Amino acid sequence: KAGVTQTPRYLIKTRGQQVTLSCSPISGHRSVSWYQQTPGQGLQFLFEYFSETQRNKGNFPGRFSGRQFSNSRSEMNVSTLELGDSALYLCASSHLGSGGWTEAFFGQGTRLTVV
Amino acid sequence: AQKITQTQPGMFVQEKEAVTLDCTYDTSDPSYGLFWYKQPSSGEMIFLIYQGSYDQQNATEGRYSLNFQKARKSANLVISASQLGDSAMYFCAMREGTGNQFYFGTGTSLTVIP
Repeated sequence: KAGVTQTPRYLIKTRGQQVTLSCSPISGHRSVSWYQQTPGQGLQFLFEYFSETQRNKGNFPGRFSGRQFSNSRSEMNVSTLELGDSALYLCASSHLGSGGWTEAFFGQGTRLTVV
Repeated sequence: AQKITQTQPGMFVQEKEAVTLDCTYDTSDPSYGLFWYKQPSSGEMIFLIYQGSYDQQNATEGRYSLNFQKARKSANLVISASQLGDSAMYFCAMREGTGNQFYFGTGTSLTVIP
C-alpha cells in the first residue's frame, strides 16, 4: 500500500512569487490536512479538506489556500511569498471523516525555501 | 493555554536502556485521542502509538508504550530497549472530539548513545 506522497520534496522560490504544493493521500483516505513546521513556531495547522470541501482552517493569512480534487489529491498554494514562509510543509492523510481515534499518516514533506 | 506540553527539549539515553518522554495535555472535550509521532532528520512524521480517551488499557506497540494517566492529563511515551535508530524528534499530539486537526507539542529530541 503506497504511503502519502508529497511533491516536490524541495523548492526554492523568490519573494513575491507563488508556489503550489501537492499531496496524494493513501488510497481510500478522504481527509487531507496540511501543516507548516518552522523552528520558531513548531507545527501549525493550515487547513483540512474532506471530500473536496474545506472543513477547518488554521490561523494563516489568505495568501495560503488549498483545494482537494475528486480523487482526494490535494494542493496548497501560497501566493506572494515572504521570507517567513520558508518551512517544511507536511500533509496528513486520514481514513475516516472525523474522530480523535483515527491515526493520520504523514508524507515526507515539502521543504520550501524563500530567498 | 497550550493544548500539548512537552517539557523536555532534549533527552539522552544509553543504547538498550528504556526512556520516558513526557507529555501533558489540556482539553475540556471528554472525547479525544493522543498520538506520538517520530520525526527523523528526513522530515517524515512516523506514527508510533495512539491512546483514546475512553481506552481503559495503556496502549502498546512493540517497544513503544503509552503511560496514560487521565486524571493528571499526561500521556508519556516509554521506549524500551533503545536502539541507535531511535534518535529523532518525538512529538506528542492530540485530536479533540470529531475534529481532524492535530495539536502538536514542541517536541523532544532524543539521542541514543552507543
